[in-house]
Amino acid sequence: SQQGEEDPQALSIQEGENATMNCSYKTSINNLQWYRQNSGRGLVHLILIRSNEREKHSGRLRVTLDTSKKSSSLLITASRAADTASYFCATDAGGGSEKLVFGKGTKLTVNP
Amino acid sequence: DAGVTQSPTHLIKTRGQHVTLRCSPISGHKSVSWYQQVLGQGPQFIFQYYEKEERGRGNFPDRFSARQFPNYSSELNVNALLLGDSALYLCASSPMVRFNQPQHFGDGTRLSIL
Repeated sequence: SQQGEEDPQALSIQEGENATMNCSYKTSINNLQWYRQNSGRGLVHLILIRSNEREKHSGRLRVTLDTSKKSSSLLITASRAADTASYFCATDAGGGSEKLVFGKGTKLTVNP
Repeated sequence: DAGVTQSPTHLIKTRGQHVTLRCSPISGHKSVSWYQQVLGQGPQFIFQYYEKEERGRGNFPDRFSARQFPNYSSELNVNALLLGDSALYLCASSPMVRFNQPQHFGDGTRLSIL
């Protein structure tokens, strides 16, 4: 089963605009991670945010986490055509449940 | 340093056959996890192996099995293939057993069942 649910399923924007993707999950977590996947390739780790953190930045990426609402958002600022990819959130519930649970993903298209 | 490598990249099988997929983790990484990604969906966790022992198992039938070797490489075996097993199979490695660290993915094996 997939714990995370990304929203929207697909997003199309122009180069230079910001892109925001949201992720909701169902159970308590130790951390939440965001990954990017280019078509037909493996996943690339973007950022990890722990349950006691509320916001994290990495370059043009900003991730927020609201554990009370069981939700996270990924903001990509000043998007580029090379950002075109699918983005997934993944949750680690910990507590002996050793697995990473991915959502269904948001497909982002950045038009030049 | 070499990343996670998976072989083969593509594979075509028929129903009822079995398949073996291989994964070599990043040097120094002792944890290997396997995921199945059906077209249009997110990856679904199948197994995690750490120090040659199974440490986690997802909701997959017994037709799926795996093992890890002393050099930390891993194999995923699927028996009695069904049409629904058609998917991208991804391998990920990390230094430790916990998932509180980035996972490093290979580019996967695309398995098609006819």
